[in-house]
Amino acid sequence: NAGVTQTPKFQVLKTGQSMTLQCAQDMNHEYMSWYRQDPGMGLRLIHYSVGAGITDQGEVPNGYNVSRSTTEDFPLRLLSAAPSQTSVYFCASSSGTGGLRSGANVLTFGAGSRLTVL
Amino acid sequence: AQKVTQAQTEISVVEKEDVTLDCVYETRDTTYYLFWYKQPPSGELVFLIRRNSFDEQNEISGRYSWNFQKSTSSFNFTITASQVVDSAVYFCALIGTSYGKLTFGQGTILTVHP
Repeated sequence: NAGVTQTPKFQVLKTGQSMTLQCAQDMNHEYMSWYRQDPGMGLRLIHYSVGAGITDQGEVPNGYNVSRSTTEDFPLRLLSAAPSQTSVYFCASSSGTGGLRSGANVLTFGAGSRLTVL
Repeated sequence: AQKVTQAQTEISVVEKEDVTLDCVYETRDTTYYLFWYKQPPSGELVFLIRRNSFDEQNEISGRYSWNFQKSTSSFNFTITASQVVDSAVYFCALIGTSYGKLTFGQGTILTVHP
């Protein structure tokens, strides 16, 4: 049982480049989310999805796009990378279909992706 | 809005000492959930506990215990007889009905020295 798989684990980009962080889960979880972790800031929610075809913004969505075409996958796209997007990114999933019930379920996290933008 | 504050940025203890990690939260909701997650040096986040706002009973799990006090909006985490393997970053988190999204505190870095 793989859980939540994130790729790549490390990536270095130049300012203005684009890239996609991949996230896949094999637990049939409806809820998926992306967080970024910065020193002294904790984890901040970027985008989330409560099911295929449904996405919504979190606390810090600017500069990021997401889509959810399948239950399993939830990629995070950086269209034009900026140094401020240097961070560690975590994908997380849980069962549930929305609202407090979804958010209140225990999250299963991926191993993280460390992104550096020069 | 909701907010979680972990005022202790870093704590350093010697093995076998007891240590308490503080978590103070703000929410206007009457229904909410609180969490603690652990992030060991390997980097992955691991769930420790979840409490709902209607259950103020303290909980003990082995060397870990949690003290939930609605009167002071606190959800503190105590490790008894700390061990080197407890060294990690610990996050407190909150979700309430009105915001509907999980909010994490800044995290507390715990270092347990042998």
